[in-house]
Amino acid sequence: RKEVEQDPGPFNVPEGATVAFNCTYSNSASQSFFWYRQDCRKEPKLLMSVYSSGNEDGRFTAQLNRASQYISLLIRDSKLSDSATYLCVVNPVDSNYQLIWGAGTKLIIKP
Amino acid sequence: EAGVVQSPRYKIIEKKQPVAFWCNPISGHNTLYWYRQNLGQGPELLIRYENEEAVDDSQLPKDRFSAERLKGVDSTLKIQPAELGDSAVYLCASSPQNTYQETQYFGPGTRLLVL
Repeated sequence: RKEVEQDPGPFNVPEGATVAFNCTYSNSASQSFFWYRQDCRKEPKLLMSVYSSGNEDGRFTAQLNRASQYISLLIRDSKLSDSATYLCVVNPVDSNYQLIWGAGTKLIIKP
Repeated sequence: EAGVVQSPRYKIIEKKQPVAFWCNPISGHNTLYWYRQNLGQGPELLIRYENEEAVDDSQLPKDRFSAERLKGVDSTLKIQPAELGDSAVYLCASSPQNTYQETQYFGPGTRLLVL
């Protein structure tokens, strides 16, 4: 089993819809979690950190489920500009701060 | 504030040739990372520096890859000799300190094609 797993997609979603995707992680001791966004042929950029209580930033909501070992990202009222690959990142703590990156979920918003 | 700078942006070489990538991190960032990203995959850490010290190079293929960060600022990653399988995007990132909550800031990457 991979340490961090994501559905590669692509998720094809009409503009204005709500879309959600999950990321599962294998190390139950993991302490910090992030969602990064990567546009085509660009570098990854931090979208949001994921806190135990869940957090929201505008149209984006991230949640952590420790019992089932997954994090989720919800995008409401999706925009064409949300089209990108969303990378899940986990810090297993016992790996000396080495972040473990998922392969990403590709999202395509259609007009 | 200037971001992470990398050069060159693109490089095409023949197999068995050497190649070098350069990175200048954000000013004041002590931690510097080199990643390799293959198509359809997430970034894979090659080496991490704290100032001028390489603190994690467990994923660096040491038979052909080398890196240095003299004076704890900019860094160079070298491949010698390059193999076909080295074709990928090489990303440099930096962060103020390496804590588990720290955001990493990436440069635009160097896209390497080995023929």
